Amino acid sequence: NSKVIQTPRYLVKGQGQKAKMRCIPEKGHPVVFWYQQNKNNEFKFLINFQNQEVLQQIDMTEKRFSAECPSNSPCSLEIQSSEAGDSALYLCASSDSYAEQFFGPGTRLTVL
Amino acid sequence: GEQVEQLPSILRVQEGSSASINCTYENSASNYFPWYKQEPGENPKLIIDIRSNMERKQTQGLIVLLDKKAKRFSLHITDTQPGDSAMYFCAAPYNTNTGKLTFGDGTVLTVKP
Repeated sequence: NSKVIQTPRYLVKGQGQKAKMRCIPEKGHPVVFWYQQNKNNEFKFLINFQNQEVLQQIDMTEKRFSAECPSNSPCSLEIQSSEAGDSALYLCASSDSYAEQFFGPGTRLTVL
Repeated sequence: GEQVEQLPSILRVQEGSSASINCTYENSASNYFPWYKQEPGENPKLIIDIRSNMERKQTQGLIVLLDKKAKRFSLHITDTQPGDSAMYFCAAPYNTNTGKLTFGDGTVLTVKP
């Protein structure tokens, strides 16, 4: 069973509001991934980190999305100005390599 | 290429029979192929995976086969039970240097008692 912790489990925001969610990876896992799963169950990779460094991110992430994994603090994903299309399940996964990825429970974001 | 094609999208089987889901991938450098099970309202759970140095892997009632030449891998659930009813996703790494996974569109498996 995954030991990845994500908070909050549910997040409701109005359009234009900031939305911030956090992730504590499994102990000993230096690689953290963020994926978005939309209402059609489609996965979209957003960004990943190894320790504090960004490994890869998609273009969308560079605009309204920001993420970080500071040392000794939870990782976070923030949407600066939420849009209705951002409503989705945001999944954080951690790994001890670039292979097995274990997902946390997710943060379900609803943008009204 | 980044796409992972997963079929079928819907699968209904009788309890006790087997269920098979197939995926194809494009990136010949892909070296790791996980399968996730996701129940309604839950997160995806890694149930089995296979690396490119293997052709077959079995754990409990799950079998994964990998055909690198055809860029195809499959999940076989033997002796299905109602508890196996869920959505299943295959995935493959688009970028083996960063681990970014590309997921299939999912298969909704229903096991009828």
